[in-house]
Amino acid sequence: KAGVTQTPRYLIKTRGQQVTLSCSPISGHRSVSWYQQTPGQGLQFLFEYFSETQRNKGNFPGRFSGRQFSNSRSEMNVSTLELGDSALYLCASSRRTDRATDTQYFGPGTRLTVL
Amino acid sequence: AQRVTQPEKLLSVFKGAPVELKCNYSYSGSPELFWYVQYSRQRLQLLLRHISRESIKGFTADLNKGETSFHLKKPFAQEEDSAMYYCVTNNAGNMLTFGGGTRLMVKP
Repeated sequence: KAGVTQTPRYLIKTRGQQVTLSCSPISGHRSVSWYQQTPGQGLQFLFEYFSETQRNKGNFPGRFSGRQFSNSRSEMNVSTLELGDSALYLCASSRRTDRATDTQYFGPGTRLTVL
Repeated sequence: AQRVTQPEKLLSVFKGAPVELKCNYSYSGSPELFWYVQYSRQRLQLLLRHISRESIKGFTADLNKGETSFHLKKPFAQEEDSAMYYCVTNNAGNMLTFGGGTRLMVKP
């Protein structure tokens, strides 16, 4: 079955702009998580959505937001972009049951460059 | 807060040599620990999880609660093992905390 897809794959924006990234999970997966990867901070959790509700949130400012649609597709939005927001943004999906953590399947990422 | 430490950014070994990628964690409860791997030009993927206690591609990892470690081992490295390896722990739900990663290079 098809893996997690993310669009766009590459994006260039300027400071102060906003950006929306999209993630389509594996069919049947209801949980979508977002991560930011930078050379300095490594991989950091942004937030998780399950059944259109934000379940968990990482330590990021309110400029970072997201949502999930009824078909489990998710978008994340970053407003008032800063140079430090340049990063690879990864999306991961899982079935998300109530037992031990289900395997998360990662997408290829969206490379955001802020000029 | 939970932390995962991988002390080596780069580990270089020759083919056929044993490999040990170190991982230490801090956790107040019962941790759930994983190793994720990213091969060149591929996506990040789960390699193994401590709860299943299985060997994947010849790799094993034992959770040592006394030393708070979860080192990844393989007795004989192969060139195709060259990749970026991340030690990961799970916070509530699906909040994964990643270590800084170790790049393994297996030389012919």
